Amino acid sequence: DVKVTQSSRYLVKRTGEKVFLECVQDMDHENMFWYRQDPGLGLRLIYFSYDVKMKEKGDIPEGYSVSREKKERFSLILESASTNQTSMYLCASSHGDRSYEQYFGPGTRLTVT
Amino acid sequence: RKEVEQDPGPFNVPEGATVAFNCTYSNSASQSFFWYRQDCRKEPKLLMSVYSSGNEDGRFTAQLNRASQYISLLIRDSKLSDSATYLCVVNMYSSASKIIFGSGTRLSIRP
Repeated sequence: DVKVTQSSRYLVKRTGEKVFLECVQDMDHENMFWYRQDPGLGLRLIYFSYDVKMKEKGDIPEGYSVSREKKERFSLILESASTNQTSMYLCASSHGDRSYEQYFGPGTRLTVT
Repeated sequence: RKEVEQDPGPFNVPEGATVAFNCTYSNSASQSFFWYRQDCRKEPKLLMSVYSSGNEDGRFTAQLNRASQYISLLIRDSKLSDSATYLCVVNMYSSASKIIFGSGTRLSIRP
């Protein structure tokens, strides 16, 4: 059974703090994704990685960076958290040739105060 | 205009009813289409792919209309467990970074 885990279910941070969100998948998937999900806006892609150390910007990369040092792990970094980054963050992974079949983690609800 | 648009609902229907909802997409270069399901406070999961010829999986039927640029999902004999948000997903250029999720249609099945 595919498993994607995220480091925290709930997180509260202060404005200006550096925030790390970790995602680990156990299926040897090539692709990994970070999305944020907001009411009425759906899932929006922040960053995507198709291999170790490789990354592509998604639709809303501003204020975020990512790191993929190992195939199974994809980290999202908020360099200086702001209140407009309060959201649900979802990580996903997929095989390289089946990118549409994404397996999601349970999500991290981040609140920035 | 959003690239993928869905009626947010909620669609509130009685158990056993048939319900259908559509999703429109704006980019004619879109190549593949999918429906995901997201239960309340859970992560999205792939429900089914949508083929040009249409496809059926049990009580669920998905169809694609390329000319009018929409896809549809029909649920027959609805069950309480079908209550969820249904996300329309469009893949442009067969690129992993061009997978666009709609904001979802909420379906609530009442006893």
